[in-house]
Amino acid sequence: GNSVTQMEGPVTLSEEAFLTINCTYTATGYPSLFWYVQYPGEGLQLLLKATKADDKGSNKGFEATYRKETTSFHLEKGSVQVSDSAVYFCALSGLAGSGGSNYKLTFGKGTLLTVNP
Amino acid sequence: GAVVSQHPSRVICKSGTSVKIECRSLDFQATTMFWYRQFPKQSLMLMATSNEGSKATYEQGVEKDKFLINHASLTLSTLTVTSAHPEDSSFYICSARDLSGDRRQYFGPGTRLTVT
Repeated sequence: GNSVTQMEGPVTLSEEAFLTINCTYTATGYPSLFWYVQYPGEGLQLLLKATKADDKGSNKGFEATYRKETTSFHLEKGSVQVSDSAVYFCALSGLAGSGGSNYKLTFGKGTLLTVNP
Repeated sequence: GAVVSQHPSRVICKSGTSVKIECRSLDFQATTMFWYRQFPKQSLMLMATSNEGSKATYEQGVEKDKFLINHASLTLSTLTVTSAHPEDSSFYICSARDLSGDRRQYFGPGTRLTVT
């Protein structure tokens, strides 16, 4: 079945540091890949997505590239801010050939990021 | 942007009682809503897919008689935990799939259930 493995946290960084959160996946077909963010007390929000190999998703300074050869979708940001403190979830869609559809998401365990001033 | 609400945000109940959790899409219609369960330091586990006007589809290992799902309208789905036990204590999260646009899922803020 489908599965997502992401870097366990917590991750603590200083403001303006470089961030990488690793994510690898196992899936049949060609899933779409996502990063969701959960700020304290709020629901999950879609941060970025990529729907096919070599696509790069980006938003709010965060980037992740869909690497089919390494089955990875690592999240990066060049300079984190205190406001980036949150839990980050890597996820994939479960429907083969789903393209942009995010039907039946499979999530990683989440990585807590804390950014100190 | 699209908003999904859940009610209540927190609930404490006694063992053996039933608890109903509501999930509403506030500014869009959703024929499909999803119910997830999240344990501490664990990922979100999909419990079931709620389909408006038809029966829910449950994931393997989820007891359909214990977790009753009703998708009464295009903006409301409810999850009822029947005869709750302490092991049902968890964080329950719903999401709703927008019919329009890219059909992405929008997530509610979650409901913390504690069974004493």
